Amino acid sequence: TQLLEQSPQFLSIQEGENLTVYCNSSSVFSSLQWYRQEPGEGPVLLVTVVTGGEVKKLKRLTFQFGDARKDSSLHITAAQPGDTGLYLCARGGADGLTFGKGTHLIIQP
Amino acid sequence: DVKVTQSSRYLVKRTGEKVFLECVQDMDHENMFWYRQDPGLGLRLIYFSYDVKMKEKGDIPEGYSVSREKKERFSLILESASTNQTSMYLCASSLHGSSTDTQYFGPGTRLTVL
Repeated sequence: TQLLEQSPQFLSIQEGENLTVYCNSSSVFSSLQWYRQEPGEGPVLLVTVVTGGEVKKLKRLTFQFGDARKDSSLHITAAQPGDTGLYLCARGGADGLTFGKGTHLIIQP
Repeated sequence: DVKVTQSSRYLVKRTGEKVFLECVQDMDHENMFWYRQDPGLGLRLIYFSYDVKMKEKGDIPEGYSVSREKKERFSLILESASTNQTSMYLCASSLHGSSTDTQYFGPGTRLTVL
C-alpha cells in the first residue's frame, strides 16, 4: 500500500489568512486527487492532478502536483469560514482510493 | 444530478446482530465501493465491485461481506456485528476504474454497535 502523509493534521486560522496543506509520499503516483469533506457528509472531489509540476486553480484554492509526482500541496488564499472541513488527498485506482488521514481545517470568523 | 444514497444516516445495533447497510446510485456507474472512516485512521477500503455479482476485497475485509445483485445497488453485510465495527461507513461509486475517475460518495451511515 502506498502511504500518503498529510500535514498538518489540524489547522485553525482566522478568516482572511492564507494557508498551505501538504500531501507527501515516498512513491510516484500517476495521479492524485483532493477531496473536501464537510461534517455529516461524504467527501466531494475538488481536483485531480496528473502531470508533474501541474498547477490547478479553483477560485481561491491552488493545487500543485510535485515535479516528481510524489507530493502535492493545496494553498488557500484569504480563507473563509466556508472553507472549513476535512481536506483529503487520495491516490486513485481501479481498486478504489487510498486516502491520506486528512487535514482538519477550521476557519474562524 | 449525481446521487449516491445510503439507507440510514444513523444505526444502533447490538453485538452479534446481522447488519445490512444499503447503497444505491442513480448514475449507471460500473464501480461501487465501501469504506469505513475512523478518527486517526482516515478512510479505509473494505470491499469494492466493478460489475454485477463481482466483488473484490479491499484493505480491511475481515468481518464484512458484500452483495451486488443489481448494478445500482451495493450492500455491505456485517454477519455478526462487534463493537470494533462501530464506525462511519461511506459508500461511493465511479463510472469506470481509471485512476483519474471521480468517486461520488453517499452521506455516510454512522453505525454504533453496543
